[in-house]
Amino acid sequence: DGGITQSPKYLFRKEGQNVTLSCEQNLNHDAMYWYRQDPGQGLRLIYYSQIVNDFQKGDIAEGYSVSREKKESFPLTVTSAQKNPTAFYLCASKDRVSSYNEQFFGPGTRLTVL
Amino acid sequence: AQSVSQHNHHVILSEAASLELGCNYSYGGTVNLFWYVQYPGQHLQLLLKYFSGDPLVKGIKGFEAEFIKSKFSFNLRKPSVQWSDTAEYFCAVIEVISSGSARQLTFGSGTQLTVLP
Repeated sequence: DGGITQSPKYLFRKEGQNVTLSCEQNLNHDAMYWYRQDPGQGLRLIYYSQIVNDFQKGDIAEGYSVSREKKESFPLTVTSAQKNPTAFYLCASKDRVSSYNEQFFGPGTRLTVL
Repeated sequence: AQSVSQHNHHVILSEAASLELGCNYSYGGTVNLFWYVQYPGQHLQLLLKYFSGDPLVKGIKGFEAEFIKSKFSFNLRKPSVQWSDTAEYFCAVIEVISSGSARQLTFGSGTQLTVLP
């Protein structure tokens, strides 16, 4: 089955700790994205990557970091610098070369800072 | 910057009622438009999309949306809702800069639809 997997589904973190969220896709998509979803605010773009070894900041990148060493993987690190990290995090991917700009989403990771 | 407005934050309907969810965007150029749905505990999934051509697009599960360029709107409709339509609905817009190139997807804040049995 082709798709996007995110792990873990639920994650708990103590204040001051960094934590890494996993995102893997086997759709052979070039572009990958990380969003943060908060109640009443929709999805906000954290980081995106159009190609391996390259990534760009989105609208709310402060306190987050990413890497894109492989086409299939785009992990997101939530650092201790992120002031309010408790949220639902969604990863998405898109076939960059396609004329259709449809993104496909993973199941999400719910991060709670204790 | 591009913005997307969904004015209805929470809509409550009885089964068989008609649905219309509003979506307005701010960009004056060429856009691609999407409606995504998030059922409880499930992935965000695409309901329908508009790229060009007929401004009335049909999606899955009986949903449709109409692109009205003059009003910068892309409202979602369904003639008769079911209890299983209870979900959160997101409108999303992407600005097309040139052929094959676009800015990033911008989402509205979402509308929670509750359908009462």
